[in-house]
Amino acid sequence: EAEVAQSPRYKITEKSQAVAFWCDPISGHATLYWYRQILGQGPELLVQFQDESVVDDSQLPKDRFSAERLKGVDSTLKIQPAELGDSAMYLCASSLGLANSGANVLTFGAGSRLTVL
Amino acid sequence: DQQVKQNSPSLSVQEGRISILNCDYTNSMFDYFLWYKKYPAEGPTFLISISSIKDKNEDGRFTVFLNKSAKHLSLHIVPSQPGDSAVYFCAASFRFSGNTPLVFGKGTRLSVIA
Repeated sequence: EAEVAQSPRYKITEKSQAVAFWCDPISGHATLYWYRQILGQGPELLVQFQDESVVDDSQLPKDRFSAERLKGVDSTLKIQPAELGDSAMYLCASSLGLANSGANVLTFGAGSRLTVL
Repeated sequence: DQQVKQNSPSLSVQEGRISILNCDYTNSMFDYFLWYKKYPAEGPTFLISISSIKDKNEDGRFTVFLNKSAKHLSLHIVPSQPGDSAVYFCAASFRFSGNTPLVFGKGTRLSVIA
């Protein structure tokens, strides 16, 4: 079964350091999402790509977070500098992204757990 | 302002009995509702969805009911099994038009006791 690949699975860093997460979506999925899940909360959207273009980054803290999907396939989410409040699970998801094709079912990766000390 | 609310943080059910997980929403323009299940250290996995024009959708042991007038949906699991123990997220979206990600609730932790 096709999977969304994410790495690293776990990352521990000190505040003010830079961190980066990588995601490889399911082949052929045009839409890629980065969500952040804080413990005890639901996933919250950070950024959405359609192919290589950003569709929605309104909730992305752009002073420290950046995301790219240069060739419209895999994607990288970067945080610089990391802050204590960034400790969370960073989830990547992808979907076919077909308009008017029913429920937009996202397939999630296993996530990258970030701990900022 | 949370558009999707799951007001019960946790639920415990005996194996074999029915589990009922509830979800409320505030935006009447949502077109689809989805349920995801999440085990620790894994990403959420899709369970079942329902269109806003339906009031029930069933898939094996899982049934989702939608009450549009009350802006309420529920997930029924019958019979509950220990492997169903996980966090369940309710999510909602608009009809996909290239800019409609899922909006999630905070989740309900289900514990099925053997």
